[in-house]
Order: sequence, then C-alpha cells, then structure tokens
Amino acid sequence: GNSVTQMEGPVTLSEEAFLTINCTYTATGYPSLFWYVQYPGEGLQLLLKATKADDKGSNKGFEATYRKETTSFHLEKGSVQVSDSAVYFCALTGQGAQKLVFGQGTRLTINP
Amino acid sequence: KAGVTQTPRYLIKTRGQQVTLSCSPISGHRSVSWYQQTPGQGLQFLFEYFSETQRNKGNFPGRFSGRQFSNSRSEMNVSTLELGDSALYLCASSRTGQGIDEQYFGPGTRLTVT
Repeated sequence: GNSVTQMEGPVTLSEEAFLTINCTYTATGYPSLFWYVQYPGEGLQLLLKATKADDKGSNKGFEATYRKETTSFHLEKGSVQVSDSAVYFCALTGQGAQKLVFGQGTRLTINP
Repeated sequence: KAGVTQTPRYLIKTRGQQVTLSCSPISGHRSVSWYQQTPGQGLQFLFEYFSETQRNKGNFPGRFSGRQFSNSRSEMNVSTLELGDSALYLCASSRTGQGIDEQYFGPGTRLTVT
C-alpha cells in the first residue's frame, strides 16, 4: 500500500537558518503530494502541494519539488522564523482517491 | 468564506458509551473525510463521504461509522467506546473529492474516554 516516511524530529533551529525536512513516499501510479502544518491546538493547514512529477509547490517561503525518480518531496525554506514553529506533515493521495496517507510528522522549533 | 467547523470541540465520555461528532464543510464542498490523530498512531484515515455515499473506508472496526446529509454536513459515530478511542478527530472537506483536490481541515474534536 501507499506510505510516507518523514525525517525523525524534533528539529530545532535558530531564526534565519535554512530548513530541510525530508519526505519520501511509496505509491503506485502517480500520487499527489502535500505538506500540511499543524500549530498547537489547531487542525491541519495545507502548506503546499504538487500533483505531477517535477512540479514545485510553494507558499509562505516554503518550497517542495515532486521528484519521481527519487520518490521524494522534501520541504525547504531559506530563512525560518519563530512563527514557523509547528508540526509538519508530508502526505499523499493515490490516483483518484481522496484518502490522505500521512507521514509521522516532524516537530519544528525555531529559537530567536 | 467560513471554514470547516466541528462540534463539539471537546468531549469526555466513559468506556462503553457512544458518541456522535459533527462536521460542517466549507460551503460548496461535497466531499467530507474523517481522520483520527493519536500520539502513537499518528494521522489515520477513517472514511470519506461524497454526495451522501461512503466512497472509502479506512482500517477501523465497525464501531466507527458515519453518514453524510444532503447539505454535505457529516457525522461520525463511535459506539461502545474504548480507552484507545481517545484522540483528536479531524474532519476535512474538499470541493470535488478528487485526489488532486485540496482538503481543508477543521479544528478537530478532542475526545477523551475515561
């Protein structure tokens, strides 16, 4: 079945540092890929998505590129802020299906 | 435009009881999905409804059920509650229910079973 693996957390960085959170997936066909963010006490917010190979999703300074050859969708940001502290989830949906399969989540803490 | 709303936000129940959670999707969205979030198992898909029909179901026991109404509002029910059902239950809606479609999540219902 489909699955998503994220880098283990927690991740702690200083403000303005470069961020990478690794995500790899296993899926048949051509899944759609997503990054969601969860702030304390809240539900999930869609951060960005990519629906086909080589697509780059971007939002709020975050970027991720759909790499089919390496089955990866790593999240990057050039300069993180304290307000980026949250839990980040990589996820996919299989072709035609609405069911999201999530990675285990990566807790990110940014220190001023 | 109003987001996805879930009621109640917090709930405390006793083992053996049953519970019903409610989700109102974004206006115009026809697909509603439910997810369970726990520290141990992470985020797991429960089921998805589209136009009042269950289209997909996750790997949960039959104690977990749901339905969708003609106005796209959805409810999920858990019968004979167990301690392990304590979790954050998240509802998500999307316009078309296609895999490429963005899903918008509500704030969740925090269920505690004692």
